Amino acid sequence: QPQVVESGGGVVQTGRSLRLSCGASGFTFTSYGMHWVRQAPGKGLEWVAVISHDGNNQYYVDSAKGRFTIYRDNSKNTVYLQMTSLRPEDTAVYYCARGGPYVLQYNWFDPWGQGTQVTVSS
Amino acid sequence: QTVVTQEPAFSVSPGGKVTLTCGLTSGPVSTDHFPSWFQQTPGQPPRTLIYSTKSRSSGVPDRFSGSIVGDKAALTITGAQADDESDYYCVLYMGSGISVFGGGTKLTVL
Repeated sequence: QPQVVESGGGVVQTGRSLRLSCGASGFTFTSYGMHWVRQAPGKGLEWVAVISHDGNNQYYVDSAKGRFTIYRDNSKNTVYLQMTSLRPEDTAVYYCARGGPYVLQYNWFDPWGQGTQVTVSS
Repeated sequence: QTVVTQEPAFSVSPGGKVTLTCGLTSGPVSTDHFPSWFQQTPGQPPRTLIYSTKSRSSGVPDRFSGSIVGDKAALTITGAQADDESDYYCVLYMGSGISVFGGGTKLTVL
């Protein structure tokens, strides 16, 4: 059964950094793209970033470009989201979701983790 | 700026049928956007219902179906049940790695 589990959330001050982790199990990690999606309090889902199955390509929502970095360690079945220069508007639950396999690596979101809360205080 | 549109709210009677839609301000939605649909209840993570327009995720009952209707992606729920009352989100792939979620539809079953 494929599964992803996020960790690393917390409360940080504006301008500080935080690294989220997403551990995967139950599938061949190296075959799938991986996404980060966030949800601000009372708001909808917002796609944040995706990384290709081999880690060679990364894409971001405009608000994350230059501040967030998605990367993966295929030897540890883990994808990360390094967040810097955090702002109050980055406050959200951050979800990790598996993408599709190979050519579909950016196209699917399944399964999802339980999410990890990030709170940026001013 | 591409915007993915969804009805903010919808209601359906128990046992009834409802179709939620997912559109694009910039033009028609096609299978090339690989539309996916998700169900979310308060305090829970999203649950994938449909991916790649019409493929059901594992364990999703066939009461849920996906399609393209006109120039929009559509999620149809037949035989609505009380526990279908949730927020429903769609996402579209824009190319170059970029995905955009719709604002969500709050479905009430009454």
